Amino acid sequence: DAGVIQSPRHEVTEMGQEVTLRCKPISGHNSLFWYRQTMMRGLELLIYFNNNVPIDDSGMPEDRFSAKMPNASFSTLKIQPSEPRDSAVYFCASSFSIGTYEQYFGPGTRLTVT
Amino acid sequence: GENVEQHPSTLSVQEGDSAVIKCTYSDSASNYFPWYKQELGKGPQLIIDIRSNVGEKKDQRIAVTLNKTAKHFSLHITETQPEDSAVYFCAASPPNTGNQFYFGTGTSLTVIP
Repeated sequence: DAGVIQSPRHEVTEMGQEVTLRCKPISGHNSLFWYRQTMMRGLELLIYFNNNVPIDDSGMPEDRFSAKMPNASFSTLKIQPSEPRDSAVYFCASSFSIGTYEQYFGPGTRLTVT
Repeated sequence: GENVEQHPSTLSVQEGDSAVIKCTYSDSASNYFPWYKQELGKGPQLIIDIRSNVGEKKDQRIAVTLNKTAKHFSLHITETQPEDSAVYFCAASPPNTGNQFYFGTGTSLTVIP
């Protein structure tokens, strides 16, 4: 298995631009998590899905952030408009939601907003 | 909600020595405790985990202990090697939260050759 796949690996954009981060979970996993990692706040859970349905988005910082999971093999995290304080590494993780608990992380997308 | 504290934030050890990282959690209902290792520029990688019905688990040079009464758990790395240098995160997961993890703030481990 290729593991969790994220794209792009690096993104540099100007303030005010729209940014879309993409994630492909491990095949067969039915829970998907989006995290943000910064030096100041560590690893923060933004939102998670179970069977493609958003379960808890209380970690999404503002209305500028939105996430979708149109099918079991694809999810997006969108920031519109982006701001410099959104600069961080964004991780996607997936797991089976029943019976086992291990979450497997992707390599992350390093976002820089100038 | 659950709150996980992790100590120390940085740790330096000589190669071959042992390293211990400690975490405490607040929700006594939490029943799953994974440890992740994150190398520079990579995503966190699960290295060991323990469930609340077990007091200790070992995998080669890595072990985790859990004290449910005191609500703390620890990662032990023996015979440390330079490749163990990384940031380590603990996490706790309460039941009925959809497998949601609450992470500690991380420990940067440096193994000095």
